[in-house]
Amino acid sequence: GENVEQHPSTLSVQEGDSAVIKCTYSDSASNYFPWYKQELGKRPQLIIDIRSNVGEKKDQRIAVTLNKTAKHFSLHITETQPEDSAVYFCAASGRDDKIIFGKGTRLHILP
Amino acid sequence: GAVVSQHPSWVICKSGTSVKIECRSLDFQATTMFWYRQFPKQSLMLMATSNEGSKATYEQGVEKDKFLINHASLTLSTLTVTSAHPEDSSFYICSARVGRATNTGELFFGEGSRLTVL
Repeated sequence: GENVEQHPSTLSVQEGDSAVIKCTYSDSASNYFPWYKQELGKRPQLIIDIRSNVGEKKDQRIAVTLNKTAKHFSLHITETQPEDSAVYFCAASGRDDKIIFGKGTRLHILP
Repeated sequence: GAVVSQHPSWVICKSGTSVKIECRSLDFQATTMFWYRQFPKQSLMLMATSNEGSKATYEQGVEKDKFLINHASLTLSTLTVTSAHPEDSSFYICSARVGRATNTGELFFGEGSRLTVL
């Protein structure tokens, strides 16, 4: 089955700087890659997703890139703000319709 | 976006009792729902895929007789933790995709249910 690795597990960046989180996946048949943000005690919320026919997608300060050959994808957050502090999960979905999550990255935005 | 509602949001029970958690899709029909478990500061671990009108598909290592899943309608799936023990204490969260199974659709999550077994 699919296996998703996510790095780093913890990331601290100065407010206003950029944050990058990287993930790799194992199943070459996976073709949907969402990113979720989870605040303490709350449900995960989709922040951006990318499908395998696209290499890059951007939504304001958030962008995701996908390299299918290397089987890795990344989340980029620019001009970070205090409200960006949360846990971020990457995920991959393939032939069996399941969405498998990475272990998460705890992002701290420093004042 | 689509709304998934989960109930109860938290529950405390005694060891050996059973607890039922409900997951409802409020404004769409979900032929497939997914149940995840999340331990503190850890990732979402897929437990099982709930299929309307048929048996659930469990992930490796998840006991189907302990975690009973029923998906009797297109808007309701239930997870029953039977003979709960303290190690079953966790955050259980359901999710669903809109419409028929399609592996490129957004997953919508319920609020989650925090189970504490004394």
